[in-house]
Amino acid sequence: DTEVTQTPKHLVMGMTNKKSLKCEQHMGHRAMYWYKQKAKKPPELMFVYSYEKLSINESVPSRFSPECPNSSLLNLHLHALQPEDSALYLCASRPDSSYEQYFGPGTRLTVT
Amino acid sequence: QKEVEQNSGPLSVPEGAIASLNCTYSDRGSQSFFWYRQYSGKSPELIMSIYSNGDKEDGRFTAQLNKASQYVSLLIRDSQPSDSATYLCADDQTGANNLFFGTGTRLTVIP
Repeated sequence: DTEVTQTPKHLVMGMTNKKSLKCEQHMGHRAMYWYKQKAKKPPELMFVYSYEKLSINESVPSRFSPECPNSSLLNLHLHALQPEDSALYLCASRPDSSYEQYFGPGTRLTVT
Repeated sequence: QKEVEQNSGPLSVPEGAIASLNCTYSDRGSQSFFWYRQYSGKSPELIMSIYSNGDKEDGRFTAQLNKASQYVSLLIRDSQPSDSATYLCADDQTGANNLFFGTGTRLTVIP
């Protein structure tokens, strides 16, 4: 298994909703990442987990809450989002042996 | 955080031509450099990584790294319309457990 999977592919949520994004990989990678990408912009780092511990939080608002239940799974819990949070949310992972990051297909999030 | 800079384009080349994409970086400590291709509405896909000065070839793609001048480039030979995408350059700035991306260059290959 050489891929990163993300669910759901698309998500529409209201500003009062609570939802979660899921990311999974079975490549044995111990570093996992959440990025946010707006149209015509590069991916913007949100969180980094290393060996299931949060190692980087790029000053992300608390309405985004990451979780790493085990070495294969990464969640992003969403609550009270704003319309400007609408974006493509990307998960990535990398092996210990290199800095090559492999991206999942992303979740297209729309906040109404 | 130090800069990774790319021309945003758009860059248009005719089918069959060589497309040349350039990237400069400011962190002299960066050791690894990557090119990602991103089709509209899709996620970035790693197409090339380069760690040493010189050229690295993979099929129609050649990455070139010059650490003294702090630039990295990507050449696409025999460009195809399917190469039309945004190309993101990234490096692994010193001490960071992360990649830093340029703003991307949009390439259009004209049939």
